[in-house]
Amino acid sequence: GESVGLHLPTLSVQEGDNSIINCAYSNSASDYFIWYKQESGKGPQFIIDIRSNMDKRQGQRVTVLLNKTVKHLSLQIAATQPGDSAVYFCAESGGSNYKLTFGKGTLLTVNP
Amino acid sequence: SAVISQKPSRDICQRGTSLTIQCQVDSQVTMMFWYRQQPGQSLTLIATANQGSEATYESGFVIDKFPISRPNLTFSTLTVSNMSPEDSSIYLCSVKKGRDYEQYFGPGTRLTVT
Repeated sequence: GESVGLHLPTLSVQEGDNSIINCAYSNSASDYFIWYKQESGKGPQFIIDIRSNMDKRQGQRVTVLLNKTVKHLSLQIAATQPGDSAVYFCAESGGSNYKLTFGKGTLLTVNP
Repeated sequence: SAVISQKPSRDICQRGTSLTIQCQVDSQVTMMFWYRQQPGQSLTLIATANQGSEATYESGFVIDKFPISRPNLTFSTLTVSNMSPEDSSIYLCSVKKGRDYEQYFGPGTRLTVT
């Protein structure tokens, strides 16, 4: 859902479950999408990226899905672990300036 | 990837003063960026730091408030000038290498203005 002020969308899961974090992007001209993980007190850490000519890309325990028709991006985390607890941001980019536009972020909490 | 360090890691400053934040990368990069992250919020791009020329600022950010230098391909500074409590944020630098879109972020500088 939408975040207002200091209230991030939150997702709480049990350890071992699969997590799905969603992101809606706004610019239909964007051709590159990226997911970052930000732990408390740290800078964002790259997780996985995808180009607009793909609709799915898999990494280690993570999968990114891209639906350009509805401008929707999702991050799936398999067998979620307590160390996955963080804020997750999607970002989009397009054009030669390589600028990233970030989404609002989702706070993932993994319960042991 | 790239190893990025920022100095200082945090600071508490009085209103009306200025703070310069340094960003150092362990290898030459094609592009460097500065972002602001207000408490509990997402990241907002302040400017692209251009090597040897003036930075390119995003809407809502001006050079007089956020002067940026980039004297070489591994180093940049961001100054937050004439600070007010509204400038309390985390300031992050990021870098891009080659022709990839992927950006790597530094650990951030947590600024509190009183």
